[in-house]
Amino acid sequence: NAGVTQTPKFRVLKTGQSMTLLCAQDMNHEYMYWYRQDPGMGLRLIHYSVGEGTTAKGEVPDGYNVSRLKKQNFLLGLESAAPSQTSVYFCASRSSGGYYNEQFFGPGTRLTVL
Amino acid sequence: AQSVTQPDIHITVSEGASLELRCNYSYGATPYLFWYVQSPGQGLQLLLKYFSGDTLVQGIKGFEAEFKRSQSSFNLRKPSVHWSDAAEYFCAVVLPTRNQFYFGTGTSLTVIP
Repeated sequence: NAGVTQTPKFRVLKTGQSMTLLCAQDMNHEYMYWYRQDPGMGLRLIHYSVGEGTTAKGEVPDGYNVSRLKKQNFLLGLESAAPSQTSVYFCASRSSGGYYNEQFFGPGTRLTVL
Repeated sequence: AQSVTQPDIHITVSEGASLELRCNYSYGATPYLFWYVQSPGQGLQLLLKYFSGDTLVQGIKGFEAEFKRSQSSFNLRKPSVHWSDAAEYFCAVVLPTRNQFYFGTGTSLTVIP
């Protein structure tokens, strides 16, 4: 049982390049989330999904797109990377049984945009 | 505005000393409350959570937290800190009927010998 995994762990991009971050979970969770973590700002929600084929915007969605084609996977895309997107990105998942269910986090992806 | 506040950006304690990390929220309804810990270079791990019942909840690694409705607080405590507790601690809330977690900005804990 791997839990939540993220690919890649590190990436360096040039401004304007695109990339996709992959999140996978093997816990059969309905809900999945993408956050970014910046110093002094905690975790901010980018997008989330409440089920296969559904996505919704979070607090800071601009410049990102997501897709949830399979229940176990949640992809985060950057179409044209900007230096402001330099951050550590975390994926999380949780079950739909109740609002008190905790989120389980992946190890993070450290992205640098030059 | 609705928010989660962790007023202490950084705390330093001696090993063996007691610890209290503060968390306040400002929401109309009582949210579900969580404390997470993040070790350097790692993801977040749940320490404990509160959603109803006894306002003093026990978590992993010897941590506990107390929910005080009158103060809109959910402070994290540990009687005796160990060097391995050095990490970043995040308070988070989930509002009833919402699927989103709202995180505080975190408190960084340093433990000195």
